[in-house]
Amino acid sequence: DVKVTQSSRYLVKRTGEKVFLECVQDMDHENMFWYRQDPGLGLRLIYFSYDVKMKEKGDIPEGYSVSREKKERFSLILESASTNQTSMYLCASMSSNQPQHFGDGTRLSIL
Amino acid sequence: EDQVTQSPEALRLQEGESSSLNCSYTVSGLRGLFWYRQDPGKGPEFLFTLYSAGEEKEKERLKATLTKKESFLHITAPKPEDSATYLCAVQPPSNTGKLIFGQGTTLQVKP
Repeated sequence: DVKVTQSSRYLVKRTGEKVFLECVQDMDHENMFWYRQDPGLGLRLIYFSYDVKMKEKGDIPEGYSVSREKKERFSLILESASTNQTSMYLCASMSSNQPQHFGDGTRLSIL
Repeated sequence: EDQVTQSPEALRLQEGESSSLNCSYTVSGLRGLFWYRQDPGKGPEFLFTLYSAGEEKEKERLKATLTKKESFLHITAPKPEDSATYLCAVQPPSNTGKLIFGQGTTLQVKP
């Protein structure tokens, strides 16, 4: 079974802090994705990566950056957290022509 | 613009009362359509992939079908444990693995 692990289930941070969300997958997948999920807005893609050190912007990249130094790990960085970044963050990974598999999410609150 | 619309937003059924969820999409050159189940506080769990019109997939009480413009998730004789949010996503022709998600249908099955 594919396992996608997100480092924290719940996280509370303050406005202006730099926040790191970590995601690790154990299936040697090439592609990894970061989404945020908000009521009424569904899942929206923030960034994705199709290889180590490669990244592409998704639909809502503003205020975020990513890092992929190793194939199994994809990090989402909030450069200066703001209250409108309070959300559920979901990481997913996939191999070519296979479905995306998701972690259980990080519920992030910015105070 | 590529778009996915799910209906209804919410559905309440009595145990044993069969029904269908709808996912309509506008995308040129569909590579695949995916159904996921999401329980509260968890990440989406993969259910089915459909690739071409006329295709059907089944798993327990769930059956997914695909036409050129929409997909249906049929739920036969549902049980309370089928209560969840069901997400539909389409993969456009690009080779990046990106998905476009609908907003989901929240199903509640009462005993």
